[in-house]
Amino acid sequence: DAGVIQSPRHEVTEMGQEVTLRCKPISGHDYLFWYRQTMMRGLELLIYFNNNVPIDDSGMPEDRFSAKMPNASFSTLKIQPSEPRDSAVYFCASSPLNQPQHFGDGTRLSIL
Amino acid sequence: GENVEQHPSTLSVQEGDSAVIKCTYSDSASNYFPWYKQELGKGPQLIIDIRSNVGEKKDQRIAVTLNKTAKHFSLHITETQPEDSAVYFCAASSPTSGSRLTFGEGTQLTVNP
Repeated sequence: DAGVIQSPRHEVTEMGQEVTLRCKPISGHDYLFWYRQTMMRGLELLIYFNNNVPIDDSGMPEDRFSAKMPNASFSTLKIQPSEPRDSAVYFCASSPLNQPQHFGDGTRLSIL
Repeated sequence: GENVEQHPSTLSVQEGDSAVIKCTYSDSASNYFPWYKQELGKGPQLIIDIRSNVGEKKDQRIAVTLNKTAKHFSLHITETQPEDSAVYFCAASSPTSGSRLTFGEGTQLTVNP
């Protein structure tokens, strides 16, 4: 079991640029979650999918953020255009229904 | 929606002492309560969880207790070791939320050798 795999681990880019974060969930997990972690706001749920379908995106900060899950083994979180306040650690997690979520090691994003 | 409060935000103990972290939740329908440990540069890792049909669960030096009436649950770590130093998060979910979790704010635990 390789666990949840996120890439890249670190991303540094200038404001205004498009940023794409990637996640490969654990095989067989029906649910996929995207979180953002900052010192000020803690761990925030941005969006989650069930069987590749977005269920709740109420945590997405604004229209600059979008997420897709084209198939059961891949998801992306995109920020366009990026802003310095988007700097955070972004986590992806996956789980079967009503079972523990397993987290990846995150992408540390810095927007200059 | 669910609201989870966690305290203390920081906790410092001497090696060998016990540590207790407490959480309260607002949704009486919540029935699943996991605890996660996050080390520096890593994602949160599940360390123990409890469902509402039991009041206590133990795994070696770690235990979790649940009081459904009072809507609070606690993490107990005995014989703490320096490698227990990390941020700990509690969380809660209800049957209607699918696998969605609501997290507490986290507790920075420091175990001093």
